[in-house]
Amino acid sequence: QVQLVQSGAEVKKPGSSVKVSCKVSGGTLNNHAINWVRQAPGQGLEWMGGIIPIFGKRNYAQRFQGRFTITADESTSTAYMEMHSLTSEDTAVYYCARGTASDWLLFLNWGQGTLVTVSS
Amino acid sequence: DVQLTQSPSFLSASVGDRVTITCRASQGIDNYLAWYQQKPGKAPSLLISSASTLQSGVPSRFSGSGSGTDFILTISSLQPEDFATYYCQQLHSYPCSFGQGTKLEIK
Repeated sequence: QVQLVQSGAEVKKPGSSVKVSCKVSGGTLNNHAINWVRQAPGQGLEWMGGIIPIFGKRNYAQRFQGRFTITADESTSTAYMEMHSLTSEDTAVYYCARGTASDWLLFLNWGQGTLVTVSS
Repeated sequence: DVQLTQSPSFLSASVGDRVTITCRASQGIDNYLAWYQQKPGKAPSLLISSASTLQSGVPSRFSGSGSGTDFILTISSLQPEDFATYYCQQLHSYPCSFGQGTKLEIK
C-alpha cells in the first residue's frame, strides 16, 4: 500500500520561503511522477507542477515558474517543493500526489496535505 | 491551456436521488478526463479515469461518460457518504487542470 506522508504545517512571513516534503512509503519514486497541487481556503484544486525523477524532468504551471521548485531524493523516496517570495495569496493546503506508472498526471495516491499560512 | 467548466457548482439532493454533474472542456481532450471526490479536510480521492473507468473499490453507483469536450459523472442512487465536492481533471495536456468543483449537499 503506497502512502505519501507530508511534513507539518508551516507559518511564514510575507517575502519568505517554504519547503515542504513528501515521503513515499510502500513504493518508489522512480518511474512515477510526483506532482504538487494546492488548494486555497474554500477554493478548488490547482496543479502547480510535477517531477519525474527517473528522467529528471520537471513541468511547472506558468504562473509558478521562477519562484517554485520541485526536487526529489530517490535514495529516501522523498520529494520536495520549495516556494519563494511568499504572499498572503499563497496561504493554502499543499498536496503532493503521485501519478500512476502509465499516466503521470493521474493522481491515485495523495499526501495528507500541508497547510502553509503566510501572515505578517 | 485547457479550461474545464463544471455545472452545477452547487447541487442539493436527497439520499436515493440520481444526480449528474457535467464537465465541459474548452477544447477536445479525447477521453483524458478523471473525476475526484473530496470530503472536508481530506485529500481528493480518485473515482474515475479515462472518462469512464471506475477505480478499484469505488461503488458501482458511480459512472462516467463522455469524450471530446463533454463529460458526465453520474451517481445512480445517492448514499449519505456521497455528499462531498467533486472535481473533474484533464490529463490531455500540460498544464493539467481541474474544474472549479461541484459541491453536493444534502437537501
